[in-house]
Amino acid sequence: DIVMTQGALPNPVPSGESASITCQSSKSLLHSNGKTYLNWYLQRPGQSPQLLIYWMSTRASGVSDRFSGSGSGTDFTLKISSVEAEDVGVYYCQQFLEYPLTFGSGTKLEIK
Amino acid sequence: EVQLVESGGGLVQPGASLKLSCVASGFTFSDYWMSWVRQTPGKTMEWIGDIKYDGSYTNYAPSLKNRFTISRDNAKSTLYLQMSNVRSEDTATYYCTREGYVYVMDAWGQGASVTVSS
Repeated sequence: DIVMTQGALPNPVPSGESASITCQSSKSLLHSNGKTYLNWYLQRPGQSPQLLIYWMSTRASGVSDRFSGSGSGTDFTLKISSVEAEDVGVYYCQQFLEYPLTFGSGTKLEIK
Repeated sequence: EVQLVESGGGLVQPGASLKLSCVASGFTFSDYWMSWVRQTPGKTMEWIGDIKYDGSYTNYAPSLKNRFTISRDNAKSTLYLQMSNVRSEDTATYYCTREGYVYVMDAWGQGASVTVSS
């Protein structure tokens, strides 16, 4: 199985500052078609997860441009510029390259 | 509006069986692969498995494939998860998700809570 390892944030993050969440995969998520099958989701308190980023760097429909994804085949970063109260929650990375699909353990974001 | 509504959760005894349902609306259900994902009380997310749009193929997490079965009824726009011989470690919130065309889970239900306890 591909293991997804997420880093922690130095919470709380001051409102208006940027925050970067890291995720590492045990195997390259770069497909032969050139796409990297790494997704990011946000689970706000009391809600279901929602898709933020797919193919490592493509924002899902309706997602603020304050969210950006980047990385290589095995190391990934979700950057949130100018964090706001609505960004509070747990962020999960997920690989969709091969079965079984796997998630990171989650990174909690708190705002000061 | 895309909606996924799970039902069938609750308190169940160890060793029993339970069947969860997920009714979809707002999109053509038969066009999409669908998945089940669970979240433990400690917030760990675990993919359970998925099913092809026509129901002809399924994939499962190896640790669960002997006890869990995913099926669907496209005429009813409903996804199912049959759980057998449940254990305490199956206690979780179970989410139904739609798999989008770009290899994502682009829609999630509100979740069904399952507690396994005697």
